[in-house]
Amino acid sequence: DAGVTQSPTHLIKTRGQQVTLRCSPISGHKSVSWYQQVLGQGPQFIFQYYEKEERGRGNFPDRFSARQFPNYSSELNVNALLLGDSALYLCASSFPPSYGYTFGSGTRLTVV
Amino acid sequence: ELKVEQNPLFLSMQEGKNYTIYCNYSTTSDRLYWYRQDPGKSLESLFVLLSNGAVKQEGRLMASLDTKARLSTLHITAAVHDLSATYFCAVASLPAYSGGGADGLTFGKGTHLIIQP
Repeated sequence: DAGVTQSPTHLIKTRGQQVTLRCSPISGHKSVSWYQQVLGQGPQFIFQYYEKEERGRGNFPDRFSARQFPNYSSELNVNALLLGDSALYLCASSFPPSYGYTFGSGTRLTVV
Repeated sequence: ELKVEQNPLFLSMQEGKNYTIYCNYSTTSDRLYWYRQDPGKSLESLFVLLSNGAVKQEGRLMASLDTKARLSTLHITAAVHDLSATYFCAVASLPAYSGGGADGLTFGKGTHLIIQP
């Protein structure tokens, strides 16, 4: 079985640009969460979606948005990129009511 | 606001030794997670602890949870070089919704563990 798939694996953007990151959960998993991990820090929660509805949101500005599609894949959008948005963006899928989360390999975003 | 503190943040130890990583959290939670992260890699799930007194073991790693003290420990027995990594604890900030749809996790800053031969 394929694990959690994220794309792209790396990308470089310029300040002020917009970026879209993609995540495909494990087959059968209906919940997707997004995390931002700045170098040397623990991941920080951005969004959680379940059955295509937003179920949780972390302390991130409105420049960050996400959505979940009927096939349970998800996109994370970040507008007006800042240098501080440079980070590893992780997607995690889960199958409630199971409590486990499986993380993807992440997308490393560099803003220059 | 839920806060999760790990200590130590950096640990260098020799193979064959035992050591414990501590994870304290500030508010009541019903789920605590331990993850391992190798450099440049994603997070690998190690343990999920769901109740007071829960203890789980896998190989040389053992995790425990004391919900009254809001403390979890990750104990390493007879460390080997392959266990060198960064270890994170993470706590769920809200009870899981009935019928599914859990909330986000709050992570500690991680413990960077180096095990030397």
